[in-house]
Amino acid sequence: DQQVKQNSPSLSVQEGRISILNCDYTNSMFDYFLWYKKYPAEGPTFLISISSIKDKNEDGRFTVFLNKSAKHLSLHIVPSQPGDSAVYFCAASKQGGSEKLVFGKGTKLTVNP
Amino acid sequence: GAGVSQSPSNKVTEKGKDVELRCDPISGHTALYWYRQSLGQGLEFLIYFQGNSAPDKSGLPSDRFSAERTGGSVSTLTIQRTQQEDSAVYLCATQRYVSPAYNEQFFGPGTRLTVL
Repeated sequence: DQQVKQNSPSLSVQEGRISILNCDYTNSMFDYFLWYKKYPAEGPTFLISISSIKDKNEDGRFTVFLNKSAKHLSLHIVPSQPGDSAVYFCAASKQGGSEKLVFGKGTKLTVNP
Repeated sequence: GAGVSQSPSNKVTEKGKDVELRCDPISGHTALYWYRQSLGQGLEFLIYFQGNSAPDKSGLPSDRFSAERTGGSVSTLTIQRTQQEDSAVYLCATQRYVSPAYNEQFFGPGTRLTVL
């Protein structure tokens, strides 16, 4: 039973355009959501997070949107850069993020120059 | 460095052998997690240590897996009688709980385990 789903295994975008990565979750107890970025042979690195009390959080080129009624979140990267090419994992947690993270399977983003 | 470190970076072993994977957390981080990523899968939670509390072992796939955290610092994940399906990247993450608004987990580079 996958509680966090990333239905697109891959996404290809032109440099300068917007990248939109999607994530759905099933457990209504999740109240904290995170995006991690992973390069090959490295551990995931934290990118951005959002608490369920918000519907949007922005950090530079990265914005995360949360739609609680739809149990859906998305990560927008604009403008996309070739260095953004990586695997992006969506993760969810309970208790404000103090519990274990439940991860999706990841979306491989390729930004073409 | 100041990050989470893991050793070894790569481990190749024969089926049936035991392996130990080590995680050195960021100083001051009270929470430590082990995850694994099998080929084509997301990160799967294995075990969680928080301070002096009893660990959450709910993610361990079988009794061949165990983990310790000595002195609230270094952690060792042990896999006994390894099987080919144990082949994966094993990731350690640590966390310094600050508040409900900020709970980033910092990951190490992982140990790639290959069971022949």
